[in-house]
Amino acid sequence: AQKVTQAQTEISVVEKEDVTLDCVYETRDTTYYLFWYKQPPSGELVFLIRRNSFDEQNEISGRYSWNFQKSTSSFNFTITASQVVDSAVYFCALSDLDRGSTLGRLYFGRGTQLTVWP
Amino acid sequence: EAQVTQNPRYLITVTGKKLTVTCSQNMNHEYMSWYRQDPGLGLRQIYYSMNVEVTDKGDVPEGYKVSRKEKRNFPLILESPSPNQTSLYFCASSLWGDLYNSPLHFGNGTRLTVT
Repeated sequence: AQKVTQAQTEISVVEKEDVTLDCVYETRDTTYYLFWYKQPPSGELVFLIRRNSFDEQNEISGRYSWNFQKSTSSFNFTITASQVVDSAVYFCALSDLDRGSTLGRLYFGRGTQLTVWP
Repeated sequence: EAQVTQNPRYLITVTGKKLTVTCSQNMNHEYMSWYRQDPGLGLRQIYYSMNVEVTDKGDVPEGYKVSRKEKRNFPLILESPSPNQTSLYFCASSLWGDLYNSPLHFGNGTRLTVT
């Protein structure tokens, strides 16, 4: 079973619209970490945010905000007043303690392609 | 500048011809990992290494080998490449395996095409 589900394969919006990217995760551990990465057309992976399972506070960084809800196992990402430069593939990822004590496993969702039209 | 460097950026090869993709980091990180990215599948882990001479399989290790003889280098070896290994490959490193307190740094990717 997928540990991270990003049900939206592609989203298109017009500039200045708000857009929310969904992320649902699955884990049996009580300690886990969640991440969002951005992959612009140039291809590199850019780290956006991390959150641990004990910190359910929502976070806002400029036009970006993240809503972490353990009750629904979701870690959604909202871009307010979207811009053309926000066009990218966005990945949600989970790191947990599955398979023993190794912490070095990161499970990615399949990504959401966001296109922002001018 | 702290970075993870992969080479080459682009590689086209033929089935069965052994190849190596190099990865080097200058941050003295203990943890290194290889991922492949395929359309609609996201990134999947191939191998990872917690330290020198310590490597372990990820989710899709078949057809790949790695080695970690030095802390800074973690090459990915395809002994007999096949077309289904055509993909975008990323190397990543972290200070430790604790990915929360030391998030992954990614290289810029290697686009491999096997014909």
